[in-house]
Amino acid sequence: QQQVKQSPQSLIVQKGGISIINCAYENTAFDYFPWYQQFPGKGPALLIAIRPDVSEKKEGRFTISFNKSAKQFSLHIMDSQPGDSATYFCAASEGDTGNQFYFGTGTSLTVIP
Amino acid sequence: NAGVTQTPKFQVLKTGQSMTLQCAQDMNHEYMSWYRQDPGMGLRLIHYSVGAGITDQGEVPNGYNVSRSTTEDFPLRLLSAAPSQTSVYFCASSRGYGYTFGSGTRLTVV
Repeated sequence: QQQVKQSPQSLIVQKGGISIINCAYENTAFDYFPWYQQFPGKGPALLIAIRPDVSEKKEGRFTISFNKSAKQFSLHIMDSQPGDSATYFCAASEGDTGNQFYFGTGTSLTVIP
Repeated sequence: NAGVTQTPKFQVLKTGQSMTLQCAQDMNHEYMSWYRQDPGMGLRLIHYSVGAGITDQGEVPNGYNVSRSTTEDFPLRLLSAAPSQTSVYFCASSRGYGYTFGSGTRLTVV
C-alpha cells in the first residue's frame, strides 16, 4: 500500500511557467514532509521541507503548500527553467521513529525552452 | 567531506550469485538506510539502521541482508541474486530530519 500518493507521473511545462506537483497521505502521524529533486544518474537531493505547523514554506522559486485537514501537500515551482528538468519525489516521515521515510512514486518534470 | 559513498556504481550479476553493495558516510550520522528505485515505484525502503549494531527491515527486505558494525558503514548483501533485484540501489544517511543520498549502484541481474 502506497503511503504517499503523488501526481502527476510526468509534467511538461513551458519555460517561465508554474510547475505543480501534488501529494496526498493517510497517516496523520506524519509530521515531516520533504521534497527531493533527482537528476539523471544522481541520487535524490533534499530540495525543501515543511512541518505541519505551517501552511506554506517558500525558498526562492520553490514553495510547498500544506493542507493538514485534506492531508495533502504540493510543490510549486515558479518561473520554471530548463535546469529544473528532473524527477521530483515527495516524502513523509513520522517523527524520529527510526527515520523511516515513505516516498511518492515520483514526477518527471520537463521544462521546454 | 565525501558525504555518502557507494560502491560499485555499476554491477552485472548472474542469477544465484551473491554480492555486497558498500555504503560509507563520513558525517557521523546515526541513521542509515537502503532504498531501491524502480520505474513507476519510487523509492522503496529495504533495510535501515538507527545506530551501530541495530538494524531493521523496511518494505522490501526479502533477499537482502544488512549489518551495521560501525557508525560509518552499512553494507547491503544480496544472498542469491534474482532478476527481480535488477534495480538502482541508494544508500542514505541522516542525523535527524532529511536524508543525504549516495549516487547509487545500478545493478543488473541476468
